[in-house]
Amino acid sequence: QKEVEQDPGPLSVPEGAIVSLNCTYSNSAFQYFMWYRQYSRKGPELLMYTYSSGNKEDGRFTAQVDKSSKYISLFIRDSQPSDSATYLCAMSRTGTASKLTFGTGTRLQVTL
Amino acid sequence: GAGVSQTPSNKVTEKGKYVELRCDPISGHTALYWYRQSLGQGPEFLIYFQGTGAADDSGLPNDRFFAVRPEGSVSTLKIQRTERGDSAVYLCASSLRAGGINEQFFGPGTRLTVL
Repeated sequence: QKEVEQDPGPLSVPEGAIVSLNCTYSNSAFQYFMWYRQYSRKGPELLMYTYSSGNKEDGRFTAQVDKSSKYISLFIRDSQPSDSATYLCAMSRTGTASKLTFGTGTRLQVTL
Repeated sequence: GAGVSQTPSNKVTEKGKYVELRCDPISGHTALYWYRQSLGQGPEFLIYFQGTGAADDSGLPNDRFFAVRPEGSVSTLKIQRTERGDSAVYLCASSLRAGGINEQFFGPGTRLTVL
């Protein structure tokens, strides 16, 4: 079993919809949680990060971490066609915070 | 300013050959990372450097893989006796410092195909 599980999708939603993306993990030592966006044939780019549990909001994006359930989420409000990409969750442990463990990524398609 | 650059963007080689993949990090970034991304998968950690030294090479799959960063800037990932299973996109990232929540900035990757 992988340390980080993520539904690969694809997930197709109409423009303006609220998107919910999720990851579960098994290692309780993970303390840093990140969401990356990756366009086709590009490198991942950081969208959001949180340390330990809680919520964080940035514009149309909200990240949530529930350490008791080992579950993290990314919500995208008012989704746009330009949000179409693969979304990767990533996490790391204190002490080895430079070593990121990624999920498989969820491919999102926002249609007009 | 310039982001992380990687060369070549594509590399096709034959099984058993030796390849070198190059990464130019963002100027001033002291930490540099290599990841490998297979088709349909997330990036998988290989190694990271703090300065010139490899601080964590626990992700290198076997002794055919080796990476250097002799002057603390450019890094080269070297793969000996390539195998078809080595085919993947090799991503390089850099950050201002290692650890904590120092954002890792990724390059576009080198797509390696081993025939």
